[in-house]
Amino acid sequence: DIQMTQSPSSLSASVGERVTITCRASQSISNFLNWYQQKAGKAPRLLIHTASSLQSGVPSSFSGSGSGTDFTLTISSLQPEDFATYYCQQSYSTPPTFGQGTKVEI
Amino acid sequence: EVQLLESGGGLVQPGGSLRLSCAASGFTFSIYAMNWVRQAPGKGLEWVSVISGSGDSTFYADSVKGRLTISRDNSKNTLSLQMNSLRAEDTAVYYCATLRQDDGGNSAFDYWGQGTLVTVSS
Repeated sequence: DIQMTQSPSSLSASVGERVTITCRASQSISNFLNWYQQKAGKAPRLLIHTASSLQSGVPSSFSGSGSGTDFTLTISSLQPEDFATYYCQQSYSTPPTFGQGTKVEI
Repeated sequence: EVQLLESGGGLVQPGGSLRLSCAASGFTFSIYAMNWVRQAPGKGLEWVSVISGSGDSTFYADSVKGRLTISRDNSKNTLSLQMNSLRAEDTAVYYCATLRQDDGGNSAFDYWGQGTLVTVSS
């Protein structure tokens, strides 16, 4: 199975700050990488697919980049509604696997 | 509007069985692969199983193989997960999710239900 490792596991940030979360795959996964946001007690929400494509309805403050083994999720200006846990997920091979999550806190 | 509504969760003893359902609406159910993804309390996301749109093809995580069975009824727009020989480590919120696939081969879980909690405990 492909292992996905996110860093950091948690971070503290303020409204308006730029936030960057990284995700590393244990082998090359091309651009078969997705990002999800999960708020407490809610289902995950797809933010970005194929490493850098914004899902419909997701604010343009979110962006993704990377290919191969190293990927980044960036929030250009953190908003109050962005405080949540973020997960990366690879779809290169079965089973699809998720990172352990990054909790973004105030 | 896409809606996925899970049901069937609850408390079950170790070794017991449970059947989860996911009622789908707002899209052409039969053309989408469907998945179950679970989340243990306070933990991350774990993919459980996928079934093709036609129901002909299924895959499972090693942790559930032989104990959980995914199925679908396209005439009723319903996804199911039969859970047998349950263990404490199966305790989790179980989500059903659609799988979007693009021309380049990437796939992602684009719509999720609200989840149903399964607790395995004596």
